[in-house]
Amino acid sequence: GDSVTQMEGPVTLSEEACLTINCTYTATGYPSLFWYVQYPGEGLQLLLKATKADDKGSNKGFEATYRKETTSFHLEKGSVQVSDSAVYFCALLAGGYQKVTFGTGTKLQVIP
Amino acid sequence: DVKVTQSSRYLVKRTGEKVFLECVQDMDHENMFWYRQDPGLGLRLIYFSYDVKMKEKGDIPEGYSVSREKKERFSLILESASTNQTSMYLCASINDPGTGDALHFGNGTRLTVT
Repeated sequence: GDSVTQMEGPVTLSEEACLTINCTYTATGYPSLFWYVQYPGEGLQLLLKATKADDKGSNKGFEATYRKETTSFHLEKGSVQVSDSAVYFCALLAGGYQKVTFGTGTKLQVIP
Repeated sequence: DVKVTQSSRYLVKRTGEKVFLECVQDMDHENMFWYRQDPGLGLRLIYFSYDVKMKEKGDIPEGYSVSREKKERFSLILESASTNQTSMYLCASINDPGTGDALHFGNGTRLTVT
């Protein structure tokens, strides 16, 4: 079946440090890939997405590139802020199905 | 913007009680979902519905049922709550999964069963 593996947290970074959260997947066909973010006390919200190989999703300074050859969708940001502290989930939607498969989430804490 | 509203942020129930969690979306989405979120386990799909009165089991349906009498409303029912159902419950909706649309989530209901 479909699965998503992302790096375990928590990840603690100083403000303005570089961030990478690794995500790899297994899926049938050609899935769409997503990063969701969950701020404290809230539900998940879409951060960025990519629907085909080599697409780059970007939002709020975050980027991720759909790499079919390595089945990866790593999340990156060049300079994190305290306000980026949240839990980040990698997810996939296999083509034609309604089910979204999530990774276990990575908690990011950014300290001033 | 799509709004997904869960009726309660926090609930405390006793073992054996029947529990209803309500979710309403305002964007005419066909598909609605119930997930539970637990530390270290991520989000796990309980049930989903792709149309009124239609439902499909997700990955962990045991101990739960659902109801979708109207398109905008999707209810999760715990027939007899147990302590291992203490969790964060998240409702979500999506317009057309086939086009790579993203899920829209409510803010969650944190249920404690004592």
